Amino acid sequence: GIQVEQSPPDLILQEGANSTLRCNFSDSVNNLQWFHQNPWGQLINLFYIPSGTKQNGRLSATTVATERYSLLYISSSQTTDSGVYFCAVESFNDYKLSFGAGTTVTVRA
Amino acid sequence: DGGITQSPKYLFRKEGQNVTLSCEQNLNHDAMYWYRQDPGQGLRLIYYSQIVNDFQKGDIAEGYSVSREKKESFPLTVTSAQKNPTAFYLCASSDTSTNEKLFFGSGTQLSVL
Repeated sequence: GIQVEQSPPDLILQEGANSTLRCNFSDSVNNLQWFHQNPWGQLINLFYIPSGTKQNGRLSATTVATERYSLLYISSSQTTDSGVYFCAVESFNDYKLSFGAGTTVTVRA
Repeated sequence: DGGITQSPKYLFRKEGQNVTLSCEQNLNHDAMYWYRQDPGQGLRLIYYSQIVNDFQKGDIAEGYSVSREKKESFPLTVTSAQKNPTAFYLCASSDTSTNEKLFFGSGTQLSVL
């Protein structure tokens, strides 16, 4: 099946800093989503972005499908941004999302 | 409010016991999914269903069973054959006719006594 690699595995930020999270995948995809899991376990869908660029407040994402990677940008980070960020992808030969191992982000006040 | 409801939030299983985790959605979504999350790891797919009365095995289906008798409901049974059931279980749903964004419930933490 498709392989999904996220980097870095851990990220510690000072409040107000900017950061970039990366997701590499091993095959062409028709579905790519970014999620944020808060410390209580709730997963929130941030972006559906199989290609192109989207922005939502302080978060934005870019997927370059031809080069098989996606980036999630966090600007002016806040303590509420802490948690685990997951990338999930679905290849053209499949009907289900495969998740990466996640990036754990800690934002310190 | 529209959403996905999982119950119970915490569940304890004795050796040799089957337990059932509930998942209900009122989003009118066609597809529903069960994922397992172990500490510090990503999500792994157990079972999924794209339509009522049909479901498919995911990557780690052994020791689990599901049913999809109604569009709104997708219960997961953890059988005694699952030897390492302690994990966080997440149910999700999506509308396959639109953009297939995945939405999650709040999860059930299953532990073995």
